[in-house]
Amino acid sequence: GAVVSQHPSWVICKSGTSVKIECRSLDFQATTMFWYRQFPKQSLMLMATSNEGSKATYEQGVEKDKFLINHASLTLSTLTVTSAHPEDSSFYICSAKDLAGAKNIQYFGAGTRLSVL
Amino acid sequence: QKEVEQDPGPLSVPEGAIVSLNCTYSNSAFQYFMWYRQYSRKGPELLMYTYSSGNKEDGRFTAQVDKSSKYISLFIRDSQPSDSATYLCATPLQGAQKLVFGQGTRLTINP
Repeated sequence: GAVVSQHPSWVICKSGTSVKIECRSLDFQATTMFWYRQFPKQSLMLMATSNEGSKATYEQGVEKDKFLINHASLTLSTLTVTSAHPEDSSFYICSAKDLAGAKNIQYFGAGTRLSVL
Repeated sequence: QKEVEQDPGPLSVPEGAIVSLNCTYSNSAFQYFMWYRQYSRKGPELLMYTYSSGNKEDGRFTAQVDKSSKYISLFIRDSQPSDSATYLCATPLQGAQKLVFGQGTRLTINP
């Protein structure tokens, strides 16, 4: 149980285009999902907390207009990187909290590698 | 001082050895602790979840929490090359939904 599916796993795009990443909880409901960014050989950096039906809460220094988050249902959150540039190239990972599960455990997706040319 | 400190390694041990991975934390109010395993270019996978002080065992893995010392450990017995990964300790930030992660320890098990 507690499977989080993230799609796509790898995307290459041209500078200036937008990219959407999907995060789905497959076998549980998640009122809260999280989006992280990870640079090589570094730990996870939380970008934003996404709550179903409400606006996301962004961490300090994260551009809201650059990284659009939508959490429209209890099983789906999306991250859209708008007008992507090479500096946005990174590994993006989502996670979800099980509404009915043990306290504060987050289950992670497999990650999306974004390469902006 | 970081809320959770973890030696980034890298740590390299021979197959079959006992591995000890450690984290320290600064806030005595932290109550829940997790260990995640992350393979290269993959998302973290939950290994262990502990609440109280003491040991919790799951197969070859044992998580240990010492709240008096603010010290958490993960032991891996009979280590295998497939255990080669980065191991992250984490704890929920009090009053918030987010997790605080250690830096992660890169572990390599040599055949």
